[in-house]
Amino acid sequence: KAGVTQTPRYLIKTRGQQVTLSCSPISGHRSVSWYQQTPGQGLQFLFEYFSETQRNKGNFPGRFSGRQFSNSRSEMNVSTLELGDSALYLCASSLSGQSSYEQYFGPGTRLTVT
Amino acid sequence: GDSVTQMEGPVTLSEEAFLTINCTYTATGYPSLFWYVQYPGEGLQLLLKATKADDKGSNKGFEATYRKETTSFHLEKGSVQVSDSAVYFCVSSSGGYQKVTFGTGTKLQVIP
Repeated sequence: KAGVTQTPRYLIKTRGQQVTLSCSPISGHRSVSWYQQTPGQGLQFLFEYFSETQRNKGNFPGRFSGRQFSNSRSEMNVSTLELGDSALYLCASSLSGQSSYEQYFGPGTRLTVT
Repeated sequence: GDSVTQMEGPVTLSEEAFLTINCTYTATGYPSLFWYVQYPGEGLQLLLKATKADDKGSNKGFEATYRKETTSFHLEKGSVQVSDSAVYFCVSSSGGYQKVTFGTGTKLQVIP
């Protein structure tokens, strides 16, 4: 079974631009979560989608948005990029999104904002 | 809100030493608890989990017991190897859906 895939793996953008990151979950997994990982803040939860609906949202500004498609693939968009958005963005999928289920993480997309 | 507190790293141990990484949590209700590991240059992967009080999760020689009375989920291994060098995250997940809270991570370095 293929794991969680994220594209692109690396990205360099300029302040003010926008970016879209993509995540393909493990086949059969319906829950997709996004996280931001930085040296200073650690791992922070962005949002979680299940069956195309956002069920949970972390404490991030509205510049961060996402969506999920009918095949469970998910995209995350960041508009008006700031230097502080430089981070590793991790996607994780889960079978049902219930709290007792483990998450399977992708390798991440390394975003650098200059 | 929910929170997870892990011991600060880095932790440096000699090969075959005993490992303990402390983790305590605060959560509404009864969360499921996990330890994830991140090897250098890789994504996170599940190490072990426990979903109710007194459950013991174990994998690859690592163990952790869900202690409701002390709200703790400490990670232990009897004899670490160089290959165990990684960052370890304690994670709480609660609510009907995955309301996930990560600890700050503890970097473990095992030297030969």
